[in-house]
Amino acid sequence: QVQLVESGGGVVQPGRSLRLSCAASGFTFSNYAMHWVRQAPGRGLEWVAVISSDGTNKFYADSVKGRFTISRDNSKNTLSLQMNSLTAEDTAVYYCARDTSVVASYCFDYWGQGTLVPVSS
Amino acid sequence: DIQMTQSPSSLSASVGDRVTITCRASQSISIYLNWYQQKPGNPPKLLIYASSSLQSGVPSRFRGSGSGTDFALTISSLQVEDFGTYFCQQSYSNPRVTFGGGTKVEI
Repeated sequence: QVQLVESGGGVVQPGRSLRLSCAASGFTFSNYAMHWVRQAPGRGLEWVAVISSDGTNKFYADSVKGRFTISRDNSKNTLSLQMNSLTAEDTAVYYCARDTSVVASYCFDYWGQGTLVPVSS
Repeated sequence: DIQMTQSPSSLSASVGDRVTITCRASQSISIYLNWYQQKPGNPPKLLIYASSSLQSGVPSRFRGSGSGTDFALTISSLQVEDFGTYFCQQSYSNPRVTFGGGTKVEI
């Protein structure tokens, strides 16, 4: 069955960096676009970034553009999110999510359990 | 960005009730509207995509409808396991996709 398992979360000070990972299994990882979506505590959902199935195309929400970098390693079935210059507004549970398509449709059919990133001094 | 407004923000209903949640987009999004269910401590689960297509494995009591700016998610006969928060999401203006604020359903 499809599994997405995030890791790398934890408390980080404002201005510092953190790298999240998502290990995928149960499907052909290289056939799907992949996303990061976040949810601040008690709040709604915010799309963060997308990467195409082959890793060549990447797009970001304005709120993270220039600070976050999405990447993937199809040989290791792994999705990553490098987060720099973190602020309190980045505090959230970060989910990796699979797109329904090889060409990103921005519809998310499988989600990981999420990893919490509290940004606090 | 396209704003998605859900109503009501919360509701309480009984088992067997017919429940309808609405979602309004600030501009036309054709049928690029998806619905998710989220239970506390869990990630969202895709229920409906492209306004009215039922995701595999989702019970047929869930029905999506609408196009343009006005959409609805209807649960024909509410079950105990249907508690949670429901979110709509537009995928029309990608990559600037946006979610509604959520509707909390209590049994």
